[in-house]
Amino acid sequence: GENVEQHPSTLSVQEGDSAVIKCTYSDSASNYFPWYKQELGKRPQLIIDIRSNVGEKKDQRIAVTLNKTAKHFSLHITETQPEDSAVYFCAAGFSGYALNFGKGTSLLVTP
Amino acid sequence: DAGVIQSPRHEVTEMGQEVTLRCKPISGHNSLFWYRQTMMRGLELLIYFNNNVPIDDSGMPEDRFSAKMPNASFSTLKIQPSEPRDSAVYFCASSRDHPGEKLFFGSGTQLSVL
Repeated sequence: GENVEQHPSTLSVQEGDSAVIKCTYSDSASNYFPWYKQELGKRPQLIIDIRSNVGEKKDQRIAVTLNKTAKHFSLHITETQPEDSAVYFCAAGFSGYALNFGKGTSLLVTP
Repeated sequence: DAGVIQSPRHEVTEMGQEVTLRCKPISGHNSLFWYRQTMMRGLELLIYFNNNVPIDDSGMPEDRFSAKMPNASFSTLKIQPSEPRDSAVYFCASSRDHPGEKLFFGSGTQLSVL
């Protein structure tokens, strides 16, 4: 089955800096790559997703890039704010099937 | 819409007892997923249903775990007998159209087995 590796496990940045979280996946057939944000004590919520026919997608301060050849994808957060502090999960899978999640990255944005 | 509804929010039980977790997916969503979250293992898929039919239960840890979806608006995850290593947050999630895409998670059940 699909194996998703996520790095780093923890990340601390200063407010206003950029944050980058990277994931790799094992199954070249995977075609759907979402990112979820989980605030402390809350449920995971989808923040952005990308399909394999697209190399990059952007939504305000958040962007995701995908390199299918290398089987890795990344989340970029620019101009970080304290409310961006949360655990971020990447996932990979086939459209129409259950996802496999990475183990998460705990992001701390310090004022 | 009320979102995905899970109950109970917290469950504390003693080893050996039966535990039943409940989930009501968003109306109109035809896929339902049970995930378990721990610090060590992250979010693990336990089982998923599509149109009330179990599609993949390979993530169910062992025979002590069972899940049912008797209709489109209700699912249960049962652990019998429970063990301390089952302590975790159990999330239910649902999606529409394409299973696995744009998951909506419930608030989770924090299970503690003493």
